Formats: sequence, structure tokens, C-alpha cells
Amino acid sequence: SQTIHQWPATLVQPVGSPLSLECTVEGTSNPNLYWYRQAAGRGLQLLFYSVGIGQISSEVPQNLSASRPQDRQFILSSKKLLLSDSGFYLCAWSSGSSNQPQHFGDGTRLSIL
Amino acid sequence: GNSVTQMEGPVTLSEEAFLTINCTYTATGYPSLFWYVQYPGEGLQLLLKATKADDKGSNKGFEATYRKETTSFHLEKGSVQVSDSAVYFCALSVGTNAGKSTFGDGTTLTVKP
Repeated sequence: SQTIHQWPATLVQPVGSPLSLECTVEGTSNPNLYWYRQAAGRGLQLLFYSVGIGQISSEVPQNLSASRPQDRQFILSSKKLLLSDSGFYLCAWSSGSSNQPQHFGDGTRLSIL
Repeated sequence: GNSVTQMEGPVTLSEEAFLTINCTYTATGYPSLFWYVQYPGEGLQLLLKATKADDKGSNKGFEATYRKETTSFHLEKGSVQVSDSAVYFCALSVGTNAGKSTFGDGTTLTVKP
């Protein structure tokens, strides 16, 4: 069966520090991968998605970047965190078919001090 | 473009009450429709889905029927439990769009004993 792992589960970082969040998928090949941010009490904002190794599409211009160095690995990064980067970050994968759901990791709670 | 409008929350019910969470959508093309549930501190989990008009998705006592004529996919449960307390998201996915989904803002349900 397929599984998705995100880490760390929680992270507290000072303003101006770098960020690296990692997501890996097991049990499937060539998944579509997604990074979302969820502000407290709000809906999901799609940040990046990828349909293949090295391919990244950005949905919202911002202080973050994403990379996909391997088929089932998706990384969210920042060189210098802002206070506004605080939130709950979710990674997800799908087969790419519109009639199939997305499958989410357990998320990373990021707090910027 | 595509959009999903959900009933605003929060919704508070007593145990064994009937639940309805309204969801309407706008889509270019013929979407698949999904309900996801998010428990505190976790990622989203697929609750149910429907991929064509008049399909009824069901799971764990929850049901939703794909109504093309009213562009709706309302979530219902006949008798809620305290363990159903969570945030519920309606979503759609259309055609060849990299498997991206459009999500509603979420509805927070609290069930009191």
C-alpha cells in the first residue's frame, strides 16, 4: 500500500533562518506531488506541485521554493523565513487522474519566532 | 475557473443529531467531487467521493450525492458522534489538470455529548 511521510512534525524557527521540509512517498511510482499551506482556521493554499522529477510549478509567488530531486521525494525550502511563513504545511500525492483523490501526509506545524 | 463554496461554520451539534454540510461548486468541465476530513493536528483524509452525476458516495455513515443540476455535493449523516468532530472539506478535480484539486474553505464540526 502507498504511504506518505512528512517531517518534522513540528518546527520552531527564528525569523531569517533557512527552512527545509521533506516529504517522501512509498508504494507508488511517478506520483504527482503537492505542497499546501494551511493558516490557522483557514482552508488550503496550494503552493507548489510537481508532475515529475525536476519539474516544479509554483502557484503563489512567495518566499518559498520547492524541489523534487527524486521521483518520490518533495522538498519545501526557504533561504530566509518570514513571520508570515508560519502555518501548517501539508504534502500530498495523487496519481494525476481527476477521478482519484489526493493523499495527505500528517503535516508540519511551523512556528516562526 | 473552478471554485467550491462550503457552508460556513463552525457547526455545533448534539450527539445523535442529523448533519448536513452544504457544498456547491463551479467547474469548467465535468468534475469529480470529494469530501475530506481533517482531525486536529493531522492531514486530510478522503471521506468519500463521486465521479459522475447521481453517484452517491458513502463511508462511515456519511453520504453525499453528486447533483449536476444544482451543482451540489452536500454531506449528510443521520446520527453524529463525538468522534465526528473535525474539519470537513469539499473539493473538486477536473480533467487533465495535473490532478490538482480545488478545495472549499472547510467547515468545523463540533459534536457535544
